[in-house]
Amino acid sequence: AQSVTQLGSHVSVSEGALVLLRCNYSSSVPPYLFWYVQYPNQGLQLLLKYTTGATLVKGINGFEAEFKKSETSFHLTKPSAHMSDAAEYFCAVSETQGGSEKLVFGKGTKLTVNP
Amino acid sequence: NAGVTQTPKFQVLKTGQSMTLQCAQDMNHNSMYWYRQDPGMGLRLIYYSASEGTTDKGEVPNGYNVSRLNKREFSLRLESAAPSQTSVYFCASSTVRSYNSPLHFGNGTRLTVT
Repeated sequence: AQSVTQLGSHVSVSEGALVLLRCNYSSSVPPYLFWYVQYPNQGLQLLLKYTTGATLVKGINGFEAEFKKSETSFHLTKPSAHMSDAAEYFCAVSETQGGSEKLVFGKGTKLTVNP
Repeated sequence: NAGVTQTPKFQVLKTGQSMTLQCAQDMNHNSMYWYRQDPGMGLRLIYYSASEGTTDKGEVPNGYNVSRLNKREFSLRLESAAPSQTSVYFCASSTVRSYNSPLHFGNGTRLTVT
């Protein structure tokens, strides 16, 4: 069964510092990969997705993620954190097997940005 | 530009009571979903509706029922609430029943069962 592991339930960075949120997945077939962001008291919003093609994917708000098949990873990065990036981030993986498509979310990483 | 609207925003129930969570989308999406979010658990799919007139179980359907009333509306019913159903419930929609099609989420319903 596919699974998603987000390393670190809480990550704290200083404003202007690099943001790195880690995501590893297990999947027996090439997956679709997603990052969603959840601001306080809101639903999730799509940040970026990887389906096929270029392995470096750019998303909204300056975030990007790189699909590394050999490492089964899809880590999210942003060169310089902003206070408005404080939120919870969810990695998700989908795959289709036997005609059934499933989307599995990681448990989330809460990002705190310190002034 | 409402997107996905959920009502109510908050609800407190006693064990055994019933209620219906309402969800409506104005994006002409075909597929709609109900998730629950619990601390440290991520999101888990309860039920989904790939298109108007169809519904299917997700990962955690026990204790819930759904109705796809029309293309816009997808409701979630708790017939006899239990404390284990205390959670934040999110409705989502997408153009088609494919996760390549991004999910659009409502702002959630925070349910407490005492």
